[in-house]
Amino acid sequence: DVKVTQSSRYLVKRTGEKVFLECVQDMDHENMFWYRQDPGLGLRLIYFSYDVKMKEKGDIPEGYSVSREKKERFSLILESASTNQTSMYLCASSPPISGKETQYFGPGTRLLVL
Amino acid sequence: AQSVTQLDSQVPVFEEAPVELRCNYSSSVSVYLFWYVQYPNQGLQLLLKYLSGSTLVKGINGFEAEFNKSQTSFHLRKPSVHISDTAEYFCAVSASNSGYSTLTFGKGTMLLVSP
Repeated sequence: DVKVTQSSRYLVKRTGEKVFLECVQDMDHENMFWYRQDPGLGLRLIYFSYDVKMKEKGDIPEGYSVSREKKERFSLILESASTNQTSMYLCASSPPISGKETQYFGPGTRLLVL
Repeated sequence: AQSVTQLDSQVPVFEEAPVELRCNYSSSVSVYLFWYVQYPNQGLQLLLKYLSGSTLVKGINGFEAEFNKSQTSFHLRKPSVHISDTAEYFCAVSASNSGYSTLTFGKGTMLLVSP
């Protein structure tokens, strides 16, 4: 069974803290994605990566960075957390992109920034 | 650029009734279309997808969707819903982004099934 795991289900951080969200997939997928999900806004793409050490900005990259040192792991970094980054964060992975692939999602991390 | 509009933010239905969740898309190129479902406190999982061929696509849990190119729609249907179908449903279109394809999601439709 395919699996995408995220390091925490719930996280509470203070404004200004550096926050790391970790995502690991066991499917040997080339592509990995980070989304944020907010009520009434659906899912919005923050960053994605199509290979180790490669990254591309999504629709809302401001305030975030990413790291992909190993194929199975994709980290989302909030350099200085702010209250408007309180959200649900979802990680996903897929085989090489041709547009037809299913994305496999982790369970999400609900982040609260105080 | 691609976009997806889910016309209903919430759809309440009674158990065993039929349901249709509406999705319209815009795209200047050929599209691939997806429906994902998110059960409470879980990530998203694929219900079904349209890539090519037959415009009627069958998915898991008795759901199906029909691709209508002239109306740029991809509505999701189920003839008889169960309480366990209560979830949020997302329509998505595959989009090209600097040579790579990404998914553009709609804002979601919450399906509320009551006894």
